[in-house]
Amino acid sequence: EAGVAQSPRYKIIEKRQSVAFWCNPISGHATLYWYQQILGQGPKLLIQFQNNGVVDDSQLPKDRFSAERLKGVDSTLKIQPAKLEDSAVYLCASTPPYPGNTEAFFGQGTRLTVV
Amino acid sequence: ELKVEQNPLFLSMQEGKNYTIYCNYSTTSDRLYWYRQDPGKSLESLFVLLSNGAVKQEGRLMASLDTKARLSTLHITAAVHDLSATYFCAVGTSGSRLTFGEGTQLTVNP
Repeated sequence: EAGVAQSPRYKIIEKRQSVAFWCNPISGHATLYWYQQILGQGPKLLIQFQNNGVVDDSQLPKDRFSAERLKGVDSTLKIQPAKLEDSAVYLCASTPPYPGNTEAFFGQGTRLTVV
Repeated sequence: ELKVEQNPLFLSMQEGKNYTIYCNYSTTSDRLYWYRQDPGKSLESLFVLLSNGAVKQEGRLMASLDTKARLSTLHITAAVHDLSATYFCAVGTSGSRLTFGEGTQLTVNP
């Protein structure tokens, strides 16, 4: 079974530029998450999708971050404009559709450096 | 707001020794997950604990959950160098959201 795919793996941009990350979850996983992991910290949830609808985006900085999941499969996370403090690894995860099972499977992540 | 606290945050131990990592959380939940992360890598699922008193073991690692005390432990038996990594606990809440602890960076020395 293929895992969660993310691209790119690495990205370096200047502050105030924009950037986009892509995620393809495990086939059949209805729930998709974007997490931000700052160096030395645990992952923090940015947004959660159920199919193509947003379930939780309470921790998404909506003035600069946006995400979409068209057709309930792939997802894109965008930052515009980027700030230095956005430097982090952005992890995409998905969970199977079994009731009560919320074990999340993570992709390799995109390491963003804002200079 | 749910808080998840791990301790210790840094752990240096010798091969062959035993140790326990603790994960305390501040709100009711009966879903607790342990993940491993190697440097520069993503998170690998280790254990899924879904009920009070749940205990799971895999190799030299054993995880347990006490929902009444809001405490999970990850016990390491006879540590080996290959266990060196950062270990995260994560608490599941409504809507299948996970809240992670800060992580415990484990170094096993020969």
